[in-house]
Amino acid sequence: AQTVTQSQPEMSVQEAETVTLSCTYDTSESDYYLFWYKQPPSRQMILVIRQEAYKQQNATENRFSVNFQKAAKSFSLKISDSQLGDAAMYFCALLGSNFGNEKLTFGTGTRLTIIP
Amino acid sequence: ETGVTQSPTHLIKTRGQQVTLRCSSQSGHNTVSWYQQALGQGPQFIFQYYREEENGRGNFPPRFSGLQFPNYSSELNVNALELDDSALYLCASSLCASKGGPCYEQYFGPGTRLTVT
Repeated sequence: AQTVTQSQPEMSVQEAETVTLSCTYDTSESDYYLFWYKQPPSRQMILVIRQEAYKQQNATENRFSVNFQKAAKSFSLKISDSQLGDAAMYFCALLGSNFGNEKLTFGTGTRLTIIP
Repeated sequence: ETGVTQSPTHLIKTRGQQVTLRCSSQSGHNTVSWYQQALGQGPQFIFQYYREEENGRGNFPPRFSGLQFPNYSSELNVNALELDDSALYLCASSLCASKGGPCYEQYFGPGTRLTVT
């Protein structure tokens, strides 16, 4: 079974500062994908960033970057130059490569507040 | 905006009733997944459809059923509604190369908020 754990129910950061959201996971598969999704009050789940487990290089998307530690099964999200629009629930998710059942397993989320 | 739409936006039903939720997938996508998100929780996988065939199911009872149509839109049906079925229901579409995968990212719709009283 796959599990995803987000141990920070809430985080806050000053506008323009940097914040890191933590995620750990467990899977028996050797190949898989990890995602961070953002869910603002509008409820729409928006893909923020994706990491393939076979890639050693950490993914980066503009102000968003990840620290992927495969051996430690850790996948943290760093948001640089935080903006008010970054306020949302952030979910870490795991997609196994056990094809035939392409389900995402989500963590419980971290609510990020941006302080003006 | 992802191009994935869901209807209705909100729905209130009474315990024991039946409900149908609808999802239109993003253009070019052939796979739809449904998730249930209870308040304060992460989404839980219900089931997935690839080219009109069920392709995996989560830990949900048979009263949760679905369909995918030739245009890849999808329906989620829930019979004999229970209070615990109150949740946000999300559908996500993706493009899969085959029933066994690989698939690309899942793009989510805005969800349907179901309240069972």
